[in-house]
Amino acid sequence: DTAVSQTPKYLVTQMGNDKSIKCEQNLGHDTMYWYKQDSKKFLKIMFSYNNKELIINETVPNRFSPKSPDKAHLNLHINSLELGDSAVYFCASSQDGTAEQFFGPGTRLTVL
Amino acid sequence: RKEVEQDPGPFNVPEGATVAFNCTYSNSASQSFFWYRQDCRKEPKLLMSVYSSGNEDGRFTAQLNRASQYISLLIRDSKLSDSATYLCVVFGSNDYKLSFGAGTTVTVRA
Repeated sequence: DTAVSQTPKYLVTQMGNDKSIKCEQNLGHDTMYWYKQDSKKFLKIMFSYNNKELIINETVPNRFSPKSPDKAHLNLHINSLELGDSAVYFCASSQDGTAEQFFGPGTRLTVL
Repeated sequence: RKEVEQDPGPFNVPEGATVAFNCTYSNSASQSFFWYRQDCRKEPKLLMSVYSSGNEDGRFTAQLNRASQYISLLIRDSKLSDSATYLCVVFGSNDYKLSFGAGTTVTVRA
């Protein structure tokens, strides 16, 4: 029944490691997003994909690489994790870029 | 200047009170506006869209002032369950992305 799901929910790792977060939506939406919410609670868009094509790529270090194997999935891979990467990462989807966005439950990443 | 600015609060109000707060946006090309609600340690969820003429959804009223570039949300007859952070969200027609404010925290006490 879950509309937008993310795994894992919690991720604790050491600096320098590489990790991935997976996202899947079963809403049939064309557009998917990754957001980062830091300790100040600002939600900032990182990437947006429409039908597996990258359409928004904000100023994000190239250690972050999104991958969309199909339009229902948008995964986020992070290389060489840094302390500043600690945040909650939300995946979201929408029917098109202007419609309501549905968010996943978030992945709380802690880099030690 | 941040794209979307909100008074962070917190607004602490008793049950039954009315609470209202604003948000300002900097992109004059913005074309769609929303209020999202985020509970502690949960994901944001759409509360309501904001239309040019203003709109109401039960106890919630949203207004848009394009000339002054602000949006407001008013909650009447506050319930304990209204305690949350309210995020002002703006969609820009020139950059095709949603910009989020940092949120206004509302706490309704018994």
